[in-house]
Amino acid sequence: GENVGLHLPTLSVQEGDNSIINCAYSNSASDYFIWYKQESGKGPQFIIDIRSNMDKRQGQRVTVLLNKTVKHLSLQIAATQPGDSAVYFCAEKGPYDYKLSFGAGTTVTVRA
Amino acid sequence: NAGVMQNPRHLVRRRGQEARLRCSPMKGHSHVYWYRQLPEEGLKFMVYLQKENIIDESGMPKERFSAEFPKEGPSILRIQQVVRGDSAAYFCASSRAGTVNTEAFFGQGTRLTVV
Repeated sequence: GENVGLHLPTLSVQEGDNSIINCAYSNSASDYFIWYKQESGKGPQFIIDIRSNMDKRQGQRVTVLLNKTVKHLSLQIAATQPGDSAVYFCAEKGPYDYKLSFGAGTTVTVRA
Repeated sequence: NAGVMQNPRHLVRRRGQEARLRCSPMKGHSHVYWYRQLPEEGLKFMVYLQKENIIDESGMPKERFSAEFPKEGPSILRIQQVVRGDSAAYFCASSRAGTVNTEAFFGQGTRLTVV
């Protein structure tokens, strides 16, 4: 967890706008990154992942960008909806590693 | 296909008592990971187990904490003589193989409160 962090602890977004959640990591050996969504009282839910041989990956309404030069990861959510309100964590691990290191999380609140 | 099942969802223990947290992995998964989450923080790795084997317990306190994953039945995280500082959410994740190349799915967690 100490190697992974998020720039902002909270983010307030207007419904329908795009959200960008940032994450900085310090372990240059990390080669696999995941974004998780955690709603209140629930466990982390996988959103999207990316490997270090890629710099962009898209899912349904979400895009993850990886900049290895500055060790930065971001999650973009298009057309943010009230159901997107949650805490978002980035997690990383190194090659041949099996345990994930989590950042502290960003709380996203969607305004109606 | 049921997901990772953890029970109980909430557990209250008095200081000095024992807490037993259970985790049933997803069907077909033989790898289990336990994480702890303190309020307002991210998850911290505790222990990684395969059936009947502890692979890595580097994140688990040396005293009072133990984990097992027997051949039959759920994985158990056991905390003896609980203290207030043990109050946290404990999450279990499982994967088909070691998460070198595969995704781990998380359960809903057990929220332990020590009073």
